[in-house]
Amino acid sequence: AQSVTQLDSQVPVFEEAPVELRCNYSSSVSVYLFWYVQYPNQGLQLLLKYLSGSTLVKGINGFEAEFNKSQTSFHLRKPSVHISDTAEYFCAVSKGYKLSFGAGTTVTVRA
Amino acid sequence: KAGVTQTPRYLIKTRGQQVTLSCSPISGHRSVSWYQQTPGQGLQFLFEYFSETQRNKGNFPGRFSGRQFSNSRSEMNVSTLELGDSALYLCASSLGGGPNYGYTFGSGTRLTVV
Repeated sequence: AQSVTQLDSQVPVFEEAPVELRCNYSSSVSVYLFWYVQYPNQGLQLLLKYLSGSTLVKGINGFEAEFNKSQTSFHLRKPSVHISDTAEYFCAVSKGYKLSFGAGTTVTVRA
Repeated sequence: KAGVTQTPRYLIKTRGQQVTLSCSPISGHRSVSWYQQTPGQGLQFLFEYFSETQRNKGNFPGRFSGRQFSNSRSEMNVSTLELGDSALYLCASSLGGGPNYGYTFGSGTRLTVV
């Protein structure tokens, strides 16, 4: 069965510093991977997705992720964060008709 | 274009009551999926409706049901509410090809059961 594991539940980071959120997946077949962001009292917004092709995926708001098949990882990165990036981030894998989500990583950006 | 609209945004109900939540998808989208988000279980798939038919269902008891109307608006119903049903309920609309083809989530309905 396909699933994802987010390795960090909380990541504090200073403004303008880089951040990396780690996500590992388990699957023996083709995978389709996603990163979503959830701001307080909001729904989920798609940051980026990997379906096929280039393993380096660029998303919105300066985020990017790299699909690494040998390490079964799909880590999310941003070179310089802003206060407004404070949110919860979810890694997810598509199971055809639905998404299976990781437990989430709370990113807190401090000045 | 208008996004996905969920109503109401907040709801407080008493144990044993029933509740109906509404989701209006993006114009032209024919699929509506529902997810439950709780601190303990995280985000879990409830069901998906496409062209007024339930196409897929998650692992939830029969107290959770839904329907979709001809205009693609969807409602979900929870009967005999339990304290553990307190959650943020999110709906996602798509053209119909599943999450790979693009989900747009609403802001959710926060249900509190007391």
